[in-house]
Amino acid sequence: ETGVTQSPTHLIKTRGQQVTLRCSSQSGHNTVSWYQQALGQGPQFIFQYYREEENGRGNFPPRFSGLQFPNYSSELNVNALELDDSALYLCASSLEWGTRTGYTFGSGTRLTVV
Amino acid sequence: SQQGEEDPQALSIQEGENATMNCSYKTSINNLQWYRQNSGRGLVHLILIRSNEREKHSGRLRVTLDTSKKSSSLLITASRAADTASYFCATGNTGTASKLTFGTGTRLQVTL
Repeated sequence: ETGVTQSPTHLIKTRGQQVTLRCSSQSGHNTVSWYQQALGQGPQFIFQYYREEENGRGNFPPRFSGLQFPNYSSELNVNALELDDSALYLCASSLEWGTRTGYTFGSGTRLTVV
Repeated sequence: SQQGEEDPQALSIQEGENATMNCSYKTSINNLQWYRQNSGRGLVHLILIRSNEREKHSGRLRVTLDTSKKSSSLLITASRAADTASYFCATGNTGTASKLTFGTGTRLQVTL
């Protein structure tokens, strides 16, 4: 049983650029959530996908968008990057929304915007 | 926004001692989960307790939940140096149970 895999592990982008982060969910999981974690803070919910449909969104602007594919892998896209977007981006997968068994998190993508 | 707060923000104990961390939250919940994070890496799920449960055990972990006080505690018994990490509580709120709202975390340091 594989866990959650995120790529890349580290990324440096310039303000105004666009970035795509990728996540392969754990085998058998149909729900993927994305979180942003600023330094010294707890993770903040960005959005969730369940069977390829968006199933909830946090307080993030529309320039944060996502996709879930038929194999339940997922992408997070951020347009017009701002300095405050520098953070650890975490992907988490679960079976049926994670309300019974919790989530399996990936190791994250560290994004630095300069 | 953060749902809850962990207390204390930082805790330093010696190996073999017990560690207790507390979490308070603001809204009604479906479930509460505890996660561990090592050095800014991914989170590891420790335990999930539902709103109709009061106590749950998993190995050296004991979690309690008091919905009337909107609070939870995580007890790690006989701590080890490998338990050094940040610990977060996260709530799945009523109506949006699958969206986790995290607290600010407790940094635990276990020394030899």
